[in-house]
Amino acid sequence: EIVLTQSPGTLSLSPGERATLSCRASQSVSSSYLAWYQQKPGQAPRLLIYGASSRATGIPDRFSGSGSGTDFTLTISRLEPEDFAVYYCQQYGSSQFTFGPGTKVDIK
Amino acid sequence: QVQLVESGGGVVQPGGSLRLSCAASGFTFSSYGMHWVRQAPGKGLEWVAFIRYDGSNKYYADSVKGRFTISRDNSKNTLYLQMNSLRAEDTAVYYCAKVKYGDYVGFDPWGQGTLVTVSS
Repeated sequence: EIVLTQSPGTLSLSPGERATLSCRASQSVSSSYLAWYQQKPGQAPRLLIYGASSRATGIPDRFSGSGSGTDFTLTISRLEPEDFAVYYCQQYGSSQFTFGPGTKVDIK
Repeated sequence: QVQLVESGGGVVQPGGSLRLSCAASGFTFSSYGMHWVRQAPGKGLEWVAFIRYDGSNKYYADSVKGRFTISRDNSKNTLYLQMNSLRAEDTAVYYCAKVKYGDYVGFDPWGQGTLVTVSS
């Protein structure tokens, strides 16, 4: 099973700042099957990025994804107040889907 | 618009059974794979099970294999999760989610979730 590790666990930033979130896999992941989700308290998760770098429908262009192999990054170029949330990466491989433990982006 | 509505959650004793349902609307249900994902209180997301659009392939997390069964009725636009031999560690909000495209790309969208509590 591929294990995903996310860092940092918590990122404390101010609105307007840039956020860089990391997702590392225990073995190589197909970029086609790497996705990022946002979850706010009391809400279901929302797909942000799929295929490592493609934005889902309705997702603002301040969100971008990059990476390949075992290292992937979600970047939020300028944090808006509504972006403070928990972010999860997720992968598919060998009939198994796994999520990372999440990175919480909170207000500094 | 695409809508997924879970139901069937509740309180069940350890060793008991429960069946969750997910009613789908706003898209051609029979053309998309579907997932169940759970989230224990205060914890992260854990994928539970996947079923291909036609039911031909089913995958399970090791933590539920042999105890949970995913199924679907394309004539009713409904996804199911039969949960047997429930344990305290199965306590979670259970979400259904649609595959974004292809067989394995993305979980989009998600339902609002249904809470399962396993407790005596």
